[in-house]
Amino acid sequence: KAGVTQTPRYLIKTRGQQVTLSCSPISGHRSVSWYQQTPGQGLQFLFEYFSETQRNKGNFPGRFSGRQFSNSRSEMNVSTLELGDSALYLCASTPGSDYGYTFGSGTRLTVV
Amino acid sequence: DQQVKQNSPSLSVQEGRISILNCDYTNSMFDYFLWYKKYPAEGPTFLISISSIKDKNEDGRFTVFLNKSAKHLSLHIVPSQPGDSAVYFCAAKSGAGSYQLTFGKGTKLSVIP
Repeated sequence: KAGVTQTPRYLIKTRGQQVTLSCSPISGHRSVSWYQQTPGQGLQFLFEYFSETQRNKGNFPGRFSGRQFSNSRSEMNVSTLELGDSALYLCASTPGSDYGYTFGSGTRLTVV
Repeated sequence: DQQVKQNSPSLSVQEGRISILNCDYTNSMFDYFLWYKKYPAEGPTFLISISSIKDKNEDGRFTVFLNKSAKHLSLHIVPSQPGDSAVYFCAAKSGAGSYQLTFGKGTKLSVIP
C-alpha cells in the first residue's frame, strides 16, 4: 500500500514569490492535514481538508491556503513568501479521527 | 501557550534498558493522545495511541500510560534498541470529530549500544 506522497521534496524560493506544495494521501483516506515544522515552534497545524472542504484551520496568516481535489489529493499554497516560512511542510492523511495519522516525508522549503 | 509539553529535550539510554519519555498537557478537553517517532529528513511515524477512557495501551515493545488527573502521559520502550534513536513527539486532540493534532516539541532519544 503506497504511503503519503509529497512533492517536491526540496524547494528553494525567493522572498515575495509564491509556492505550491502537493500531497497525495493513502488510497481511501479522505482527510488530509498539513503541518509546518520549524526548529523553534515544532510541529504546528495549518489546516485540514475532507471531501474538498476545509474543516479546521490553524493560527496562520491568510498567505497560507490550501485545497483538496475530488480524488483527495491536496495542495497548499503560500503567497508572498517570507524568510520565516522556511520550514519542513508535512502532510498527513487518516481514514478517521481516532486512527493514527500517516505522514509523508515532507517538503523542505527554503526561502532566501 | 504550549498545550502539550515535553520537558526533556533529550534522553540517553543504554541498549536493552527501558526508555521512558514523558509528556504533559494543559487542555482538559484533549481525549486522544498519540506518539510519533521521527528520523531526520523523514515524516513522523505513528507508534501508538491511547484514548482518554483508558490508562494503558501496549503494542509490542511500546506501552503508553495515561494519568488523566495529572494530565500526564508517558511512553515506555522495553527493551530499547539502537534503532529506536530518534526524536519522539507526543500529540493530542480533542473531540471525536477533531482532526487537529497539537504536538509537543519532541524528545531526542539516543540508545547507546
